[in-house]
Amino acid sequence: EAQVTQNPRYLITVTGKKLTVTCSQNMNHEYMSWYRQDPGLGLRQIYYSMNVEVTDKGDVPEGYKVSRKEKRNFPLILESPSPNQTSLYFCASSLDVRQTGQYFGPGTRLTVT
Amino acid sequence: KQEVTQIPAALSVPEGENLVLNCSFTDSAIYNLQWFRQDPGKGLTSLLLIQSSQREQTSGRLNASLDKSSGRSTLYIAASQPGDSATYLCAVAPRGGGADGLTFGKGTHLIIQP
Repeated sequence: EAQVTQNPRYLITVTGKKLTVTCSQNMNHEYMSWYRQDPGLGLRQIYYSMNVEVTDKGDVPEGYKVSRKEKRNFPLILESPSPNQTSLYFCASSLDVRQTGQYFGPGTRLTVT
Repeated sequence: KQEVTQIPAALSVPEGENLVLNCSFTDSAIYNLQWFRQDPGKGLTSLLLIQSSQREQTSGRLNASLDKSSGRSTLYIAASQPGDSATYLCAVAPRGGGADGLTFGKGTHLIIQP
């Protein structure tokens, strides 16, 4: 089954404690990205990757890092989380940069206290 | 900068009605437009994708149209059912081979009353 998986699905943490949200896809997609969804602001792109070792900033990259060492995985790293990073996070993948046929993961709800 | 607006923000209708959700975008230089469905606690499910050269796409009871020149798209749901209750999101992909992400509208929260 074609899918994008994220872990964990729910996370409550404290300010400053480094965390990683994993994302994996099984469709051999080149393009992967991370979004955050906030009430009243909708979905906004954090980072994207066009292929292995190729990443770039989206609209709201501050406070986040990513890496793409393998084609299937695209982890999101929060080195020093702050309360304003409390949000619902989605990983997405598509065949190529034209983003035809986007697949989204189930989401990770992060709370930073 | 591309902006996507969805009207209405919320809609509640009795079961069986046909309904239309609206999406407008400010920059017509798009590669495609997608309609997604989001259920509470779950991810986004792609419903329909319209390439910029197309005028409409259909899937079952859903029909999406695209008028790129006027910056508008509509999602038509026929014979609505309670299971259609969800938030519907419209998103556009930029043209030109750029790797910028999708620009989303804020969604229409739809409730179908049994």
